[in-house]
Formats: sequence, C-alpha cells, structure tokens
Amino acid sequence: GESVGLHLPTLSVQEGDNSIINCAYSNSASDYFIWYKQESGKGPQFIIDIRSNMDKRQGQRVTVLLNKTVKHLSLQIAATQPGDSAVYFCARRAGGTSYGKLTFGQGTILTVHP
Amino acid sequence: ETGVTQTPRHLVMGMTNKKSLKCEQHLGHNAMYWYKQSAKKPLELMFVYNFKEQTENNSVPSRFSPECPNSSHLFLHLHTLQPEDSALYLCASSRSPTGSTDTQYFGPGTRLTVL
Repeated sequence: GESVGLHLPTLSVQEGDNSIINCAYSNSASDYFIWYKQESGKGPQFIIDIRSNMDKRQGQRVTVLLNKTVKHLSLQIAATQPGDSAVYFCARRAGGTSYGKLTFGQGTILTVHP
Repeated sequence: ETGVTQTPRHLVMGMTNKKSLKCEQHLGHNAMYWYKQSAKKPLELMFVYNFKEQTENNSVPSRFSPECPNSSHLFLHLHTLQPEDSALYLCASSRSPTGSTDTQYFGPGTRLTVL
C-alpha cells in the first residue's frame, strides 16, 4: 500500500551546518514528491518538489534527492539558520484519477541552535 | 501569507455544539481541500472539492459536513463532535486536483478543541 515514512522524528543542528532530512516511501508508481515546512502556528508551506523522472533538484539553499532504487527521498538544507527551525514533511502524490491526493509522512522536527 | 485564510484560528466547543469553520482562497484556484492534523500523526485528507463538486470523502464521519458554495470558499460544519476530534484543521487549495504537479497551498489552520 501507499505509505510515506520518516527515519527520525527530531534533528538538532548548529547554525551554519548543513541539515539532511530523510524520507522513505513504498509505492513508486508515477510518484511526485513534495517537501513542506510547517512553523509553529502556521500551515504547511511548500519548499520544493521533484518528479519521479528526476534524481535531484535544487532550490535556494535546499536540494532534494530522490533515490528510486531504494525508494528514498532527502531534503538537504545548506547553511541552516535559526529560521529554518520547523517541522518538515515529505508528501507523495500520484496523478491521474487520484485527484491530487497527498500522502504525508509524520514529520521531522528540525531545531537549529545559534 | 499563502493566499489561503481560515477562520476562526481557535475554537473551543462542547460535544453538543454546532459550529462551522471557514476557508477562503484568493489564488484563483479550482480545487480546495480539508485536512486534519492530529498530534504525532500524519496529515489526513478529509475532503476534496473540484469546481465546487466534492470529489473525495476519505471515510470521514458524518458529524463533519463540508460545503463549497464556490471555488473560493469552503466550509466545514461541525456537530456532535467527540473529544478525539480535537486537532488542527487545515484548508488547502490548488489549481486543479487532477494536475499531477499542482502545488497545494495551505491556510494557517483552525485549532479545534472539543470538550
């Protein structure tokens, strides 16, 4: 069945370090993956996405890597800042008749120490 | 701001009360969603509306009743809720639910507490 799971529930890093948040999934058919960031008191905010025909995608300070062989997704944040402290969710979506249904992971709490 | 607003931001209600949550999107999107976010659980999709028509009901109990009068507004009517329904209720919108890469934009949520 479909599932999206996270390896670690919490991650603590020092300001300036790079952060890596991991995600595993079980169903790779026609998948499209999204990373969301949720700060306290706010709704999830889109960070970056990647299609299943790609291995890597870069944004501003963020990189998403997709390893379809082991069904693993990661979010890398360069030079992590205190403002990056939040809960990070990976989500998976299949297109077509699934009406854009997103399956979310439980989330990783990222804490950045000054 | 994401262009999706939700009111109220906080709501406390008794199990016999009737209340409604409101969501409005200013993005010109055609699809709107209700999600439930409970502590230590993944976000759960509840309902999907596409062009005002409900296209998904993810086995949600009938004490939750959605309403979508137009593509910009979405309501969630609540009645005879249970304490386990306490959660953060998130609204989201996207251009189209069938677009495989359409991003969903979330509102800030309504924190609901059922006593």
